[in-house]
Amino acid sequence: GAVVSQHPSWVICKSGTSVKIECRSLDFQATTMFWYRQFPKQSLMLMATSNEGSKATYEQGVEKDKFLINHASLTLSTLTVTSAHPEDSSFYICSVDSGRSSYEQYFGPGTRLTVT
Amino acid sequence: GQNIDQPTEMTATEGAIVQINCTYQTSGFNGLFWYQQHAGEAPTFLSYNVLDGLEEKGRFSSFLSRSKGYSYLLLKELQMKDSASYLCAVDNAGNMLTFGGGTRLMVKP
Repeated sequence: GAVVSQHPSWVICKSGTSVKIECRSLDFQATTMFWYRQFPKQSLMLMATSNEGSKATYEQGVEKDKFLINHASLTLSTLTVTSAHPEDSSFYICSVDSGRSSYEQYFGPGTRLTVT
Repeated sequence: GQNIDQPTEMTATEGAIVQINCTYQTSGFNGLFWYQQHAGEAPTFLSYNVLDGLEEKGRFSSFLSRSKGYSYLLLKELQMKDSASYLCAVDNAGNMLTFGGGTRLMVKP
């Protein structure tokens, strides 16, 4: 299966600053990647679908101007949390869609964001 | 809308068997997944069901009834390392997964 990495694995930032999270598919060319957010003791919530070379598709209730997604290559998608607030503190996880079936959706290790 | 329900927490004893249930109501259905997630880590794939019936894989089995909108994950010979959250997820369209709230399983000696 695909190997997916995320960087950084954890980050602490001050309120009002922006944070960029990278998701890399190390051995697979990913046309589509997904970004999830997970609050403590809750399940994963899909934020957006990242499509290589085109605009991301955001889920209802997710502010596209606040969560900027760029998928400029087949191996890299980035999520930038702009003007972060403490309520944005969460575990952000990306996954790679192999395109064959969701049986082969591979998850990255996640990024823990804490906004102080 | 999408609705996926599973118990919030369960406790079981080492060596025992535990069944985690999941009921779903979704606008589409392309398969149901079970994932295991340890705290602070990404989910890891356990099983995939798209047809009715039981899929067995070692100590873990998963069952699906599409007509009832119901699935369960069965864990046998529980080990302490099985303490984790178990997530039920439905592929309802286009390879997009909708997750249930997760079931936190605690295995006690």
